[in-house]
Amino acid sequence: DIMMAQSPDSLAVSLGERATISCKSSQSVLYSSNNKNYLAWFQQKPGQPPKLLIYWASTRASGVPDRFSGSGSGTEFTLTINRLQAVDVAVYYCQQYFITPHTFGQGTKLEIK
Amino acid sequence: QVQLQESGPGLVKPSETLSLTCTVSGDSITDYYWTWIRQPPGKGLEWIGYASYSGTTNYNPSLKSRVTISVDTSKSQVSLKLTSVTAADTAVYYCTRGGGSFPPFVDHWGQGTLVTVSS
Repeated sequence: DIMMAQSPDSLAVSLGERATISCKSSQSVLYSSNNKNYLAWFQQKPGQPPKLLIYWASTRASGVPDRFSGSGSGTEFTLTINRLQAVDVAVYYCQQYFITPHTFGQGTKLEIK
Repeated sequence: QVQLQESGPGLVKPSETLSLTCTVSGDSITDYYWTWIRQPPGKGLEWIGYASYSGTTNYNPSLKSRVTISVDTSKSQVSLKLTSVTAADTAVYYCTRGGGSFPPFVDHWGQGTLVTVSS
């Protein structure tokens, strides 16, 4: 299995500031034939199912504010949330969908400082 | 807009079979892969596996001997069966749609249903 490790496990950021979450995979999720990274980010608010934010490591899903951005390639990826708002409080997960089983990171809990 | 609604018993006895159904509306069940994902209370997400209407399946090796996912196009439903359950199978079970690529990434989630394994 590809292991996904997120850091930090939790972070507190002030309103209006930037939050950065890291995700590292135990092997590359970059497919050389199409130069795509098979990496997604999800946001899960309390009592709700997760919601897709980013796919192909950097493509925002429909309706996702441009405050959210994804970057990285190969084995190292980052989710950045600019101009943090109170509605962004949630747990964030990365997931690789390159090789089955499609494994998730352990999650990063984002709170307001 | 696709809607996914999970249904099934909320309580299953140890050693018995967990059976859930996901009813798909607002979209064609034949156009996508359908994935089940679970989340134990207070914990992270675990990918169970996916199936397509054509019979293609792929399961998590950690569950492979116990899990079956199937698609019923006539009812627009996706089913999950997990045999010989234990307390470790207690979780919220999510039905999800996988689209946009193969392998599919999950782009829509159902609300989830909590299944507790207890005698």
